[in-house]
Amino acid sequence: QSALTQPASVSGSPGQSITISCTGTTSDVGAYDYVSWYQQHPDKAPKLMIYDVSNRPSGVSNRFSGSKSGNTASLTISGLQAEDEADYYCISYTSSSTLVVFGGGTKLTVL
Amino acid sequence: EVQLVQSGAEVKKPGESLRISCKGYGYSFTNYWITWVRQMPGKGLEWMGSIDPSDSYTHYSPSFQGHVTISGDKSISSAYLQWSSLKASDTAMYYCARRRAAGDWYFDLWGRGTLVTVSS
Repeated sequence: QSALTQPASVSGSPGQSITISCTGTTSDVGAYDYVSWYQQHPDKAPKLMIYDVSNRPSGVSNRFSGSKSGNTASLTISGLQAEDEADYYCISYTSSSTLVVFGGGTKLTVL
Repeated sequence: EVQLVQSGAEVKKPGESLRISCKGYGYSFTNYWITWVRQMPGKGLEWMGSIDPSDSYTHYSPSFQGHVTISGDKSISSAYLQWSSLKASDTAMYYCARRRAAGDWYFDLWGRGTLVTVSS
């Protein structure tokens, strides 16, 4: 069982917006602004999409945005495109001995 | 080009030993921790442990402590993940990823992964 809770799947139609949640605790998501999001296409390595809750690395589309409220972080993808269909994972720093905790992943389907 | 290059796919038998590698190119290797991540077939990402290449300090997930060994050689910008006795349940894709040592808590660069298959 993963330390951070994500929905197993979400779906949306092209052009729509979707949001993926990532729920942790007061020891990780709720305490620090160190949540990051990764996109993984089938048989590919994960790719950093958002870091420190809401920052986009250079080269990542501005259709991807991140936010946080309390113990829950969120990834929003606007203007859905077929190429966005992938698995998405959140990761957070934690004050526990493991230092990082992973979400279980969310499969995004573009209808 | 800044990249992490991982060693090739491996097919091993239960009980055999194995070491896979991750080599950094195009950046100062000792300025970034290297983390190993497991992905079992059809499953999510799991943090296994990390190494600070500057001094080879390691930090393991309790789930993997004692089952794998993480090491490094900063002189050749490489990190390693090794098993002394593989099990069928070690069959998975293994990724290395870097995290900047200066307090950043995200992984901005990933290797392409090494597929390890353990089967009799």
